[in-house]
Amino acid sequence: RKEVEQDPGPFNVPEGATVAFNCTYSNSASQSFFWYRQDCRKEPKLLMSVYSSGNEDGRFTAQLNRASQYISLLIRDSKLSDSATYLCVVTYNNAGNMLTFGGGTRLMVKP
Amino acid sequence: EPEVTQTPSHQVTQMGQEVILRCVPISNHLYFYWYRQILGQKVEFLVSFYNNEISEKSEIFDDQFSVERPDGSNFTLKIRSTKLEDSAMYFCASSKLGGDEQYFGPGTRLTVT
Repeated sequence: RKEVEQDPGPFNVPEGATVAFNCTYSNSASQSFFWYRQDCRKEPKLLMSVYSSGNEDGRFTAQLNRASQYISLLIRDSKLSDSATYLCVVTYNNAGNMLTFGGGTRLMVKP
Repeated sequence: EPEVTQTPSHQVTQMGQEVILRCVPISNHLYFYWYRQILGQKVEFLVSFYNNEISEKSEIFDDQFSVERPDGSNFTLKIRSTKLEDSAMYFCASSKLGGDEQYFGPGTRLTVT
């Protein structure tokens, strides 16, 4: 069974804080990994792909640990506009290109 | 920046009626997808489509559902006889190649009464 699990939160943090989310996936036949963000009642928007070597995009850093089957997202210097739900997404070998979504972690950044 | 578009933004229909949800994927993308999200739940995969045929479908995508690319730009999802439990946001997505990042449209909110 292919599951992607996330702590639903909410994570309430002040502006400027650093916050980290983890995500675990159950099936080792995993292929690609992504973080999407979703604002309330809107579509998922691609935040970043997650590579084996880890990757960074501005204030956002993603890490992949295949041995432990988890993915992390670190947000530095949180902004009010970072408030959203962050979705961990995995694709699996031999499963076409279907994205398997976690339930999301809700972040609320407060002034 | 190119975007996936979807129409209508909101569709209200009675149980048992047929609905067609429309999507215009990003123009140079070759892979198309439908997902749905019931309020408060995870985003769920329905179907993927490439080269004018279904390449993958989930258990949700039963005989009541069908997809079509009627012309060079549109990609549609048809639900033949809607049920109350079909009420959800339906998202269309596209990617340039298989395994690439998928970009989502704004969704159609389907309400079945």
